[in-house]
Amino acid sequence: GQQLNQSPQSMFIQEGEDVSMNCTSSSIFNTWLWYKQEPGEGPVLLIALYKAGELTSNGRLTAQFGITRKDSFLNISASIPSDVGIYFCAGHNRGSGGSNYKLTFGKGTLLTVNP
Amino acid sequence: SQTIHQWPATLVQPVGSPLSLECTVEGTSNPNLYWYRQAAGRGLQLLFYSVGIGQISSEVPQNLSASRPQDRQFILSSKKLLLSDSGFYLCAWDQGLDQPQHFGDGTRLSIL
Repeated sequence: GQQLNQSPQSMFIQEGEDVSMNCTSSSIFNTWLWYKQEPGEGPVLLIALYKAGELTSNGRLTAQFGITRKDSFLNISASIPSDVGIYFCAGHNRGSGGSNYKLTFGKGTLLTVNP
Repeated sequence: SQTIHQWPATLVQPVGSPLSLECTVEGTSNPNLYWYRQAAGRGLQLLFYSVGIGQISSEVPQNLSASRPQDRQFILSSKKLLLSDSGFYLCAWDQGLDQPQHFGDGTRLSIL
């Protein structure tokens, strides 16, 4: 089955630093999603990418859909303490058919920001 | 706007007891609904999904079952809980195959 490799597994940074994390896949997706999860809560959608090469920003967050459709990255600029959490990537193949309801998730990047 | 509610937020149950977790979505109709389990190791495992009332697809054979008695209601159940059923259970919805999934706040289930 499809697998996502998300890296790094964890990051410890100082407030104000930029952050970069990425996901790579053994097969292609036509949608990439990035979620953030805080302790005791469900994942919250940050950015959705639908087209190869697409670069999308949401405030200090920027994500890109790789040209090969097998990878995506998320950047956070000028980190602040409230950026702390686990960031998940997810790949999806939109379309008809039973298997297309599934998201394939990475294992997450745990981000710690020291004030 | 659409909202998703899960309850209870936390639950402590003895081994062998039954389980019922509920999820409802507001502000939309005919959503796709999903149940996930998240283990301590962070990965999200899809348990069940539903594309309509009474329609349930199971992804992983196990001690759990799901039902969708109403359009915007999704229930996760068990007749007899096992220790291995402990975890963080998340409900999610989307409005179609070309839309991203949105998650509820989860239920922390501990089995004693």
